[in-house]
Amino acid sequence: AQSVTQLGSHVSVSEGALVLLRCNYSSSVPPYLFWYVQYPNQGLQLLLKYTTGATLVKGINGFEAEFKKSETSFHLTKPSAHMSDAAEYFCAVRRASGGYQKVTFGTGTKLQVIP
Amino acid sequence: EPEVTQTPSHQVTQMGQEVILRCVPISNHLYFYWYRQILGQKVEFLVSFYNNEISEKSEIFDDQFSVERPDGSNFTLKIRSTKLEDSAMYFCACDRDNTEAFFGQGTRLTVV
Repeated sequence: AQSVTQLGSHVSVSEGALVLLRCNYSSSVPPYLFWYVQYPNQGLQLLLKYTTGATLVKGINGFEAEFKKSETSFHLTKPSAHMSDAAEYFCAVRRASGGYQKVTFGTGTKLQVIP
Repeated sequence: EPEVTQTPSHQVTQMGQEVILRCVPISNHLYFYWYRQILGQKVEFLVSFYNNEISEKSEIFDDQFSVERPDGSNFTLKIRSTKLEDSAMYFCACDRDNTEAFFGQGTRLTVV
């Protein structure tokens, strides 16, 4: 079974500061990993994904994440927070084999950006 | 850019009533899913659907729930007799190659 753990249900950063949202995964087989963002009362938007190849993946809005197999982590970072980054962020995992697989989400991290 | 369309965006229903949530997936995608998110909680898998049958379902997806693809384009989730605890945001998703599930904007279901 696959699962993800997001450390910190709420994270506050100052505008212009580094954003770091933590995600650790558990998977018995190689995983695909994702970060989704959800703005208030809206749907899920894919920020970035790791499937194969380069372990440092870049996404939209200046976000990036690094797949570290040895640490079973997929932390999300952004060098400089913007007010518009305030949202809830979900880390997610799915099996990379065995056909189509469901996505398993973490509990989410709400990011607050302080002016 | 292709997108997943869900209707309605918000539905209010009385407890015990049947509701149908509708989704139009991306046209060349073959795998379909429903997820739900109770307010303030994480997104939970409900069911996956492929080749006109359920391929996997969660414990949440009991006999009160059903899915179908009635006309080759729409993908629906039916809740036969709604309960207060069914109030949630319901997301439809679809997939072409297992690398990325595309999510709709969701239907907010409120059971009163």
